[in-house]
Amino acid sequence: AQRVTQPEKLLSVFKGAPVELKCNYSYSGSPELFWYVQYSRQRLQLLLRHISRESIKGFTADLNKGETSFHLKKPFAQEEDSAMYYCAFNYGNNRLAFGKGNQVVVIP
Amino acid sequence: DVKVTQSSRYLVKRTGEKVFLECVQDMDHENMFWYRQDPGLGLRLIYFSYDVKMKEKGDIPEGYSVSREKKERFSLILESASTNQTSMYLCASSYPQVNEQFFGPGTRLTVL
Repeated sequence: AQRVTQPEKLLSVFKGAPVELKCNYSYSGSPELFWYVQYSRQRLQLLLRHISRESIKGFTADLNKGETSFHLKKPFAQEEDSAMYYCAFNYGNNRLAFGKGNQVVVIP
Repeated sequence: DVKVTQSSRYLVKRTGEKVFLECVQDMDHENMFWYRQDPGLGLRLIYFSYDVKMKEKGDIPEGYSVSREKKERFSLILESASTNQTSMYLCASSYPQVNEQFFGPGTRLTVL
């Protein structure tokens, strides 16, 4: 069952423009959501989690239970933000369900 | 720093071969996971383990098995490799009550 949906596969933005990656989830309880990032030739790593409510590398994500969304946003994209981004959802016992990913390309 | 290592970065095998992918973590994590990563499909969980000798099926266990004889090591086994198992395989580990998973660099397996 698809628990996490990331609608866009590829997102191209110009440097300095805002970037928003959409993530919707399917869960009736209190979800635990994450954004993971994979830069070119690097391993997948945690970017941020909703419970910490912090900004990492200028990125923020707010959990909206009414819309079942956890969109990732950054007001001004930088070239180093070019990467693959995955939304992930804890569906119990520390298992994570990942979305299909968004490839972000920041154009200089 | 948590270190998760995988035995090979690239592997080429023939159809029908038995394939072993090894993963080792050095942070005494109880939980370990195997995923495959395919373009357009994201990461899909194959198997996971909460402790030594314990294993649980993930979303796509068919054609795979695992072994966890020691806490730090989690092996993924393809009993008889097939071309549709050509993929990037990622290992991850975590503490039981913390949901941040730490990933290895991946093994790109090609089955000819």
